[in-house]
Amino acid sequence: LAKTTQPISMDSYEGQEVNITCSHNNIATNDYITWYQQFPSQGPRFIIQGYKTKVTNEVASLFIPADRKSSTLSLPRVSLSDTAVYYCLLDSGNTPLVFGKGTRLSVIA
Amino acid sequence: DADVTQTPRNRITKTGKRIMLECSQTKGHDRMYWYRQDPGLGLRLIYYSFDVKDINKGEISDGYSVSRQAQAKFSLSLESAIPNQTALYFCATSDLRSGASGSSYNEQFFGPGTRLTVL
Repeated sequence: LAKTTQPISMDSYEGQEVNITCSHNNIATNDYITWYQQFPSQGPRFIIQGYKTKVTNEVASLFIPADRKSSTLSLPRVSLSDTAVYYCLLDSGNTPLVFGKGTRLSVIA
Repeated sequence: DADVTQTPRNRITKTGKRIMLECSQTKGHDRMYWYRQDPGLGLRLIYYSFDVKDINKGEISDGYSVSRQAQAKFSLSLESAIPNQTALYFCATSDLRSGASGSSYNEQFFGPGTRLTVL
C-alpha cells in the first residue's frame, strides 16, 4: 500500500493561510492525491482530491508539482473551526485507503 | 454523514462477550469499510467489502469478523471481546469516481462512529 509522509502537527493563528505538505515519493501513475479532514469524535470527511497541477474548491486548494512526489494542501484564512486532523492519502480506486496519523492542525485565536 | 448510520453509538461490555456493531447506508454504494481509531494511531482498516459477495481483511482483522448482509448493511463482530479492542469504530462507504487522468478514485463517507469500551 502506498504511503505518505506529513508533519505530525502544526499551529496557526486565526486569519492566516495554512499550508500542509505531504510527501509521496512512490506515487503510482494511477494514484490520485486525496485529503480528508477529521474533527474530534467524528469520522473523516473528504475535502479535496487532485491528480496534477492545482485544484481549488470552496474549502481548500491543492497544489501538485509536475513530478507528483509531493503535494500541498492550502487552507486560506483559517478560523478556530478549522482545528482538526488532516490526512493525505493516495487513491488508485482499486485498493482501500490507508489513513496514517495525519497532521493535527491547531488554530489559535 | 447522515446517510451512513452506526448502531450502537456507545457500548460498554465485558471481556469475553460477543459484540456486533451494525452499519447501514442509504447512499447506494457498493463499497463498505470498517476502521478502528485509537488515540495517536490514526485510522486502521479492519475489513472491507467491494460488493455484497466480497469480503477482504484489512491490516488488523485478527479478533474480528464481518458480514455483508446486503448492499446497504455491513456488520462487524468481535467474537470474544478483549480490553485492547477498546476504541472508536468507524464504518465508511465509498463511491468510485472517474478523475481527470482517466483512472478512478474513491470518495469515502464515514458514519458517526461507535465508541466501544471493553472492561
